[in-house]
Amino acid sequence: GAVVSQHPSWVICKSGTSVKIECRSLDFQATTMFWYRQFPKQSLMLMATSNEGSKATYEQGVEKDKFLINHASLTLSTLTVTSAHPEDSSFYICSAGGASDTQYFGPGTRLTVL
Amino acid sequence: KQEVTQIPAALSVPEGENLVLNCSFTDSAIYNLQWFRQDPGKGLTSLLLIQSSQREQTSGRLNASLDKSSGRSTLYIAASQPGDSATYLCAVRKLTGGGNKLTFGTGTQLKVEL
Repeated sequence: GAVVSQHPSWVICKSGTSVKIECRSLDFQATTMFWYRQFPKQSLMLMATSNEGSKATYEQGVEKDKFLINHASLTLSTLTVTSAHPEDSSFYICSAGGASDTQYFGPGTRLTVL
Repeated sequence: KQEVTQIPAALSVPEGENLVLNCSFTDSAIYNLQWFRQDPGKGLTSLLLIQSSQREQTSGRLNASLDKSSGRSTLYIAASQPGDSATYLCAVRKLTGGGNKLTFGTGTQLKVEL
């Protein structure tokens, strides 16, 4: 089956620094990738949809200048959390969509901001 | 705005029991509905996907039903095992222009005890 990887799997950073999370589709080309955030004991909330070669579409309430998304190729999308603060600590999950309407999910990245 | 609710939020059962997890959604204009499993600190594993034209899907001990008109889906787990312990999420997909989005439910945390 289709495999999506995320790197890193966990990261701890100081408040005010920026953190980049990578999402890769390993064995298929993903025209669309999705970024979700999940707080403890809560469900996944869609943050943004990124299409290869174009700007990401952000959900209402998500700051595009804080959460920078780049989808430069059909196999890689990156999420950069700029000037991270403790309230940004969360579990970030990406998914990649292929030719069909199915999404394949990555294993997630645990971000802790001190 | 689509809202997806899952009941119960948490469930603890002895091994061997048959159980039903419920999912309801407010907007019946969906393309399909998907059930996922999430283990603690991990990504999502797709269990079953039901197209809007289908009534149910089965995979092993899992059976998912869909009643689109009433905005409901159920996930039936037969002969539960400790390895079934996880959080179960349902998500509905509605095709929008230029892509498709998943709206996730609140999740049911299942614990199957020996």
